[in-house]
Amino acid sequence: QQPVQSPQAVILREGEDAVINCSSSKALYSVHWYRQKHGEAPVFLMILLKGGEQKGHEKISASFNEKKQQSSLYLTASQLSYSGTYFCGTDDVSGSARQLTFGSGTQLTVLP
Amino acid sequence: DGGITQSPKYLFRKEGQNVTLSCEQNLNHDAMYWYRQDPGQGLRLIYYSQIVNDFQKGDIAEGYSVSREKKESFPLTVTSAQKNPTAFYLCASMRSLKGNTIYFGEGSWLTVV
Repeated sequence: QQPVQSPQAVILREGEDAVINCSSSKALYSVHWYRQKHGEAPVFLMILLKGGEQKGHEKISASFNEKKQQSSLYLTASQLSYSGTYFCGTDDVSGSARQLTFGSGTQLTVLP
Repeated sequence: DGGITQSPKYLFRKEGQNVTLSCEQNLNHDAMYWYRQDPGQGLRLIYYSQIVNDFQKGDIAEGYSVSREKKESFPLTVTSAQKNPTAFYLCASMRSLKGNTIYFGEGSWLTVV
């Protein structure tokens, strides 16, 4: 079952912060975050494994609450280059086969 | 350089034609995947393969077929049974161990003319 992302779209000014949420109905082993520019392949940002860790990548960080089956992506002091569509991909604990199920995406637009 | 190569980048299909999209990886990954993406939409899984000579249907397998004769290759055929094939197709691969992430090719645009 597909994870639910929110919000669907967000518009920011340069320097503002944003949070993107990803929620699943299944117990998760890991959550993967990607950013995609139009017409290009998704680019890997980070992976969070169960254990509630928080990771960071420049001014982009994420958290994973395995009890709530939720992950959040935090973008601070946003830059124009952050524009794109952000996807979360989830890998549940029950599956024997490795596959990621992706959310429908959050379109982020950063304006000057 | 290691990576995933998809070809062609752009492809046009006539009504009633089958077309095949190529995907090759030199990452030595066991698992390979095909996703379809429609404009403004998320990624939907078509087929995936965990090992050579074995593959499983994803959420939207109807009208598609695959083969996995070699570890590094996972071609996707879009058959004439797929009534609305115009989309962006992404091939991906991943190591089979938990805790590893998925890597994508550059994608192929398929348009029906």
